[in-house]
Amino acid sequence: GAGVSQSPSNKVTEKGKDVELRCDPISGHTALYWYRQSLGQGLEFLIYFQGNSAPDKSGLPSDRFSAERTGGSVSTLTIQRTQQEDSAVYLCASRSILGPGLALHEQYFGPGTRLTVT
Amino acid sequence: GNSVTQMEGPVTLSEEAFLTINCTYTATGYPSLFWYVQYPGEGLQLLLKATKADDKGSNKGFEATYRKETTSFHLEKGSVQVSDSAVYFCALSRSDKLIFGTGTRLQVFP
Repeated sequence: GAGVSQSPSNKVTEKGKDVELRCDPISGHTALYWYRQSLGQGLEFLIYFQGNSAPDKSGLPSDRFSAERTGGSVSTLTIQRTQQEDSAVYLCASRSILGPGLALHEQYFGPGTRLTVT
Repeated sequence: GNSVTQMEGPVTLSEEAFLTINCTYTATGYPSLFWYVQYPGEGLQLLLKATKADDKGSNKGFEATYRKETTSFHLEKGSVQVSDSAVYFCALSRSDKLIFGTGTRLQVFP
């Protein structure tokens, strides 16, 4: 079966522009996560969706960042008025909360979107 | 708060050498612990996991034991291969999210 996919794989944008990053989770996975991987900060949690609701948005660095999820599937991370410090690889992961035992703990990661703000 | 500390890299080894990458954590309660690996040009993959004290996770010759008394989850492999060259991340799971260490780059030379 298909894994987590993200698009675009690379995005170069000018400072001040808005960008949208897309994540397609594994079919049937109800939990979806966004993380950011940057040189200065390592891997940071951004936001978590359970279905279409986001019970934990604590990692979003500013109000320029927002995310939504529709139909319990695709998610979009939007960054408004991009800044150079937003340059990073944005990772999406999904997880099933169904099924027995340890399998429900594993998050499956997509390949990431590399964002460069010039 | 919850945090993960792992040794800085790069770790440079010759093929067939013994590997240890140290990881310690700070957390309330008893989190699940993970090692993820990122091979060059690829996404993060789960390498192994442990969900309670004294559990040993193992995969592809790698092992790590959940040590509550020392709050550690050190990654070990008895004989590394060139193909093990990658960045390794230690992580803990709290409140449905993963908290990662900074990553340790492993370089294995023939």
